Amino acid sequence: GQQLNQSPQSMFIQEGEDVSMNCTSSSIFNTWLWYKQDPGEGPVLLIALYKAGELTSNGRLTAQFGITRKDSFLNISASIPSDVGIYFCAGQSLGSQGNLIFGKGTKLSVKP
Amino acid sequence: DGGITQSPKYLFRKEGQNVTLSCEQNLNHDAMYWYRQDPGQGLRLIYYSQIVNDFQKGDIAEGYSVSREKKESFPLTVTSAQKNPTAFYLCASSPRGAGGTDTQYFGPGTRLTVL
Repeated sequence: GQQLNQSPQSMFIQEGEDVSMNCTSSSIFNTWLWYKQDPGEGPVLLIALYKAGELTSNGRLTAQFGITRKDSFLNISASIPSDVGIYFCAGQSLGSQGNLIFGKGTKLSVKP
Repeated sequence: DGGITQSPKYLFRKEGQNVTLSCEQNLNHDAMYWYRQDPGQGLRLIYYSQIVNDFQKGDIAEGYSVSREKKESFPLTVTSAQKNPTAFYLCASSPRGAGGTDTQYFGPGTRLTVL
């Protein structure tokens, strides 16, 4: 079946640092979505990507839909404490009837 | 306010009891979805519905049942046949159900604990 590999699994940040995470799939996707989830809450949509090569920003967040259509990355610039949480990528392939496949998430924590 | 509501936020049940989780949306979305989330895991699809009076099994449908009698409502019943029901349950909806590219929006979730 289709698989999504999201990395890193976890990372520690210091305020002001830039952060990067990515997802790769075993098959071609026609949509990539990035969500953020706070503890005990539902995921909130950050960025949606619909075309290969598309680069989209949302404030300090930037995401790109890979040219091969099998990968996507999310960058967070100048991180702040409220950026902590779990970030999920999700992809959708043609013929999937709108269903998404989710990565296992990247947990962002603040360095002590 | 437009959005997706799930109730209750926390739910406790004794083993062997069926329990129904509520999901309502006022976004006029056609499609609705139920996911299960376990610690350290991604989201796994339980059931989905692209249109009223129709629904399909997802990857982990065993021990669950759903109904879609109204466009805005998609309740999930966790039956006693579900072997490990304690989890965080998320409902989502999207504007268009039948193929194509689409974006899902999530509710706040219900944490079910079976004692």
